[in-house]
Amino acid sequence: AQSVSQHNHHVILSEAASLELGCNYSYGGTVNLFWYVQYPGQHLQLLLKYFSGDPLVKGIKGFEAEFIKSKFSFNLRKPSVQWSDTAEYFCAVTTFSGGYNKLIFGAGTRLAVHP
Amino acid sequence: GAVVSQHPSRVICKSGTSVKIECRSLDFQATTMFWYRQFPKKSLMLMATSNEGSKATYEQGVEKDKFLINHASLTLSTLTVTSAHPEDSSFYICSARRPGTGNGADEQFFGPGTRLTVL
Repeated sequence: AQSVSQHNHHVILSEAASLELGCNYSYGGTVNLFWYVQYPGQHLQLLLKYFSGDPLVKGIKGFEAEFIKSKFSFNLRKPSVQWSDTAEYFCAVTTFSGGYNKLIFGAGTRLAVHP
Repeated sequence: GAVVSQHPSRVICKSGTSVKIECRSLDFQATTMFWYRQFPKKSLMLMATSNEGSKATYEQGVEKDKFLINHASLTLSTLTVTSAHPEDSSFYICSARRPGTGNGADEQFFGPGTRLTVL
């Protein structure tokens, strides 16, 4: 079965620090990859997505992610975090099987940024 | 981005009663909607896939008679939690799939969620 692993469950950073959140998936076929963010009290929002093409994907709010097929990874990065980046981040994968796509989420990483 | 709404945002009910949650795609037609359950400090678990005009597809371990799903139109799916019990208390989130360019490049847009508390 497909699965998504997020290595860091809880990350604490100071403002201006660099961020990298790990995400690995297990599926040998074609995948679409996503990073979602959930700010406190708000609903899930899409940060960025990879469908095909350039494996380095740029998203909103200065986030980017790199798809490395050989490593089954899609790590999220931001060079300099802000206090407003405090949120929970979910990596997700869609797989094409059974006639439709479904999103499989990782367990999430809770990021706390201190001023 | 596309907008998906859920109603109600919060509901408290007594044990044994049924609760209906609506999910609407406001600015696009969604042939497929999804229902998730999110436990505190945990990820989203897919409960079922709701297809317009046909029966929902439930994930393993999800009781279809307890969580009734109806996708009556291209913009509305409902989840009814029947005979709710305290263990059904959770955050229920729907999403709607907006079709992409035909190469599988579609994405889901999420509703704000419904907090269900069963007393």
